[in-house]
Amino acid sequence: EPEVTQTPSHQVTQMGQEVILRCVPISNHLYFYWYRQILGQKVEFLVSFYNNEISEKSEIFDDQFSVERPDGSNFTLKIRSTKLEDSAMYFCASSEAGGGSYEQYFGPGTRLTVT
Amino acid sequence: AQSVSQHNHHVILSEAASLELGCNYSYGGTVNLFWYVQYPGQHLQLLLKYFSGDPLVKGIKGFEAEFIKSKFSFNLRKPSVQWSDTAEYFCAAWATSGTYKYIFGTGTRLKVLA
Repeated sequence: EPEVTQTPSHQVTQMGQEVILRCVPISNHLYFYWYRQILGQKVEFLVSFYNNEISEKSEIFDDQFSVERPDGSNFTLKIRSTKLEDSAMYFCASSEAGGGSYEQYFGPGTRLTVT
Repeated sequence: AQSVSQHNHHVILSEAASLELGCNYSYGGTVNLFWYVQYPGQHLQLLLKYFSGDPLVKGIKGFEAEFIKSKFSFNLRKPSVQWSDTAEYFCAAWATSGTYKYIFGTGTRLKVLA
């Protein structure tokens, strides 16, 4: 069964450094998403992406964050200058189409630790 | 604002006990509702979903959920849990209003004792 994959599984970085989290969505999916979960808190939506542009973003997704689909398979989340409060589990997801009628398939997550 | 609440953060049960995990959402319009499960070290997987129709929805692995519109609830149930059900369970909602995002609850960590 096709799966969303994410790398790395765990990333440790120092405050102020840039990090890139990578995701490979399911190959025939057109919509891509990033969510994050700070330890003990809700899974929060960050951004959705379709047709090479952001279709929706949350207030969390400020200028420090960016997303890109650099080639036909990868979908990346970049955090330009990490802060301690960026420490969280980051989940990538993809769906065949947009809207809640289409199941979002999630990756296993990348645990980001900012020290 | 749209939100999803899960009231049980940690649940410990013995095998064969019955399970009910609460989920409430706040949104006045039409919502699609989901339960996801995350086994240790694995992906979030869809257990079941409700879009419309029969409010009692059956999912995988013997789970079911009941949508009660008057209570804004979508509780997850299983009559007899197994050790392998140990996982974290997330309720999520999607409002049919032109948005792409799911709104998640905080999750419930279930531990089943053998």
